Amino acid sequence: DIQMTQSPSSVSASVGDRVTITCRASQDISSSLGWYQQKPGKAPNLLIYLASSVQSGVPSRFSGSGSGTDFTLTISSLQPEDSATYYCQQANSFPLTFGGGTKVEIK
Amino acid sequence: QITLKESGPTVVKPTQTLTLTCTFSGFSLSTSGLGVGWIRQPPGKVLEWLALIYWDDDKRYSPSLKNRLTLTKDTSKNQVVLTMTNMDPVDTATYFCARTDTELWRVFDYWGQGTLVTVSS
Repeated sequence: DIQMTQSPSSVSASVGDRVTITCRASQDISSSLGWYQQKPGKAPNLLIYLASSVQSGVPSRFSGSGSGTDFTLTISSLQPEDSATYYCQQANSFPLTFGGGTKVEIK
Repeated sequence: QITLKESGPTVVKPTQTLTLTCTFSGFSLSTSGLGVGWIRQPPGKVLEWLALIYWDDDKRYSPSLKNRLTLTKDTSKNQVVLTMTNMDPVDTATYFCARTDTELWRVFDYWGQGTLVTVSS
C-alpha cells in the first residue's frame, strides 16, 4: 500500500495568512492526488484533483502543486470559513489511501 | 443536481453482517467513466477507503477487508449496496458513499452525508 504522510498535523494561523500543507507519498504517484476539506460532522469536500486542478466552485485562494512524491496544498489568504481538517488522497493505485489529516485553526 | 445518501442500520451486533445502501440521483452508473465508492471514518479518526464499483461492474476492494466486503449495483434503482460480514466493534465508524469520474482519476467529487454505524452487543 502507498502511505501518505501529511504535515503539519495541525496549524494555527491568522485571517489573511498564507497556509501551506504538505503531503508525501511513500512512492511515486505521478500527479494522482486529491485534496479534501472536512468540517466537523460533515462529509469531505473535494478541493483539488490531479494534484493541481481546482474543483469547480472552490475559491481561488486554494491551490495545489507537486508531482511524484511531494505535494502541497496552499491557502493563499486564510479565511474564517477555512477552519477545517484537510486530507490528501492518492489515486495512483489501489488501495486508495488518505493522509492523516491537517487541522487548520484560526488564531 | 447530484446527491448521494447512505442508508442502513445504525447499530449492529458483533459477528453480524452489515448492509448499507447508497441511493443516488443526478447521474447514472451506466454512464461510462463513473463509479461509486465507500469510505469510512471511525470517530475522531482518519478516512479509510473500502471499495469502489465502476459503470462496467469492475469492482475494487481494500485488501485488508476484501474477504469481508461485497459490492453490487442496481442501475435501474440508482443504488449501490455494500455488505460487510463479521462486524466487530473496531468497525464502528461513519460510512460514506461517494462518486468518482475517470476525469477525476479516482478522487471523489460528490459525497453522501454519511451514516454512523455502531457495532455493539
